[in-house]
Amino acid sequence: QQQVKQSPQSLIVQKGGISIINCAYENTAFDYFPWYQQFPGKGPALLIAIRPDVSEKKEGRFTISFNKSAKQFSLHIMDSQPGDSATYFCAASQNNNDMRFGAGTRLTVKP
Amino acid sequence: DVKVTQSSRYLVKRTGEKVFLECVQDMDHENMFWYRQDPGLGLRLIYFSYDVKMKEKGDIPEGYSVSREKKERFSLILESASTNQTSMYLCASSLYSEAFFGQGTRLTVV
Repeated sequence: QQQVKQSPQSLIVQKGGISIINCAYENTAFDYFPWYQQFPGKGPALLIAIRPDVSEKKEGRFTISFNKSAKQFSLHIMDSQPGDSATYFCAASQNNNDMRFGAGTRLTVKP
Repeated sequence: DVKVTQSSRYLVKRTGEKVFLECVQDMDHENMFWYRQDPGLGLRLIYFSYDVKMKEKGDIPEGYSVSREKKERFSLILESASTNQTSMYLCASSLYSEAFFGQGTRLTVV
């Protein structure tokens, strides 16, 4: 049973559009919520992360929105580009230890 | 740059064989992890270690064991490989929060 639930499983967006991926968790002890990006043949790499003391974090075109009361967080990719096509994983961890991942979202950005 | 190196990109093993997957990191990280990645299931934690000789079970430890004799090296052992262990295996290390991943080992058990 996955501790972090991610949706959708796949997403197709036109170039310039907004991509939105959602995650939900149950364990309120989680204190770190990263998003990882994975290209084919590569290991996942950290994209952006948030801690529960803030509700939003933005880095360039990537924004995490965090709702502590609902135990949900989401990734927004603004002005999506074909180079953003990849698999995205949300994750959660506590005390910098065991990190649990969602099932992944395969994003395709059409030119 | 942090480097996490997995010893093999591709492995083919026979059912019942004992399989060793090796992972080495070069940044003196305390924590190391083994995940398996399967389509539709994401990354599932097998084992992690927060110090030399220390290990903790993740969500799917059955059929696996690990060894961490040195800080930089974390080994995953399949005691008796089975076809349902065919998967992509990813090793990661972290010091505080960010985890750095290797490129993965694609293991096929026939």
